[in-house]
Amino acid sequence: SQQGEEDPQALSIQEGENATMNCSYKTSINNLQWYRQNSGRGLVHLILIRSNEREKHSGRLRVTLDTSKKSSSLLITASRAADTASYFCATEETSYDKVIFGPGTSLSVIP
Amino acid sequence: NAGVTQTPKFRVLKTGQSMTLLCAQDMNHEYMYWYRQDPGMGLRLIHYSVGEGTTAKGEVPDGYNVSRLKKQNFLLGLESAAPSQTSVYFCASSNPTSGRALEQYFGPGTRLTVT
Repeated sequence: SQQGEEDPQALSIQEGENATMNCSYKTSINNLQWYRQNSGRGLVHLILIRSNEREKHSGRLRVTLDTSKKSSSLLITASRAADTASYFCATEETSYDKVIFGPGTSLSVIP
Repeated sequence: NAGVTQTPKFRVLKTGQSMTLLCAQDMNHEYMYWYRQDPGMGLRLIHYSVGEGTTAKGEVPDGYNVSRLKKQNFLLGLESAAPSQTSVYFCASSNPTSGRALEQYFGPGTRLTVT
């Protein structure tokens, strides 16, 4: 069974706009990670937020984590056409040495 | 560094045939993983390894076997391929800190079709 569930499943925005994707999960976690996958390629790690952190930034990316609601959000500011990709959240549970991926959000940024 | 490489990139099998997918990493990572990706399903963990000589089952292990004889290699075997195993297979590796899996590095994937 999947731990993380992204929302929305698909998102289409204009270049320059902000994109927000959400992830909900079910059990206690050590950390939550976001990955990007360009069409036909492998996944690339974007950012990791630990369970004791509430917000983290990396360039145009902002990730928040609310462990009380078991949810996270990924914000991409000033989106570019090159941001077009699928985005996945992945959770590492406290009792396992592995991560579980959600089904992903497909982001299209229109030039 | 080549990172994580996968062989082959594409393969077509007939039902009942067997094959082995090879994953190699040159980052000296302890943990290695095999996932399959199907439309709308995200990535599902097949098997993983937390060190040379060790393997463990993931979410969807049935129909697959794995071996980790060398630290840098992780092999995924299909003994008798079925059409339900048509998928894109990804290998990943990570270097844990304090026993936690942390960031994963992915290979480019193997597209397998079983007819």
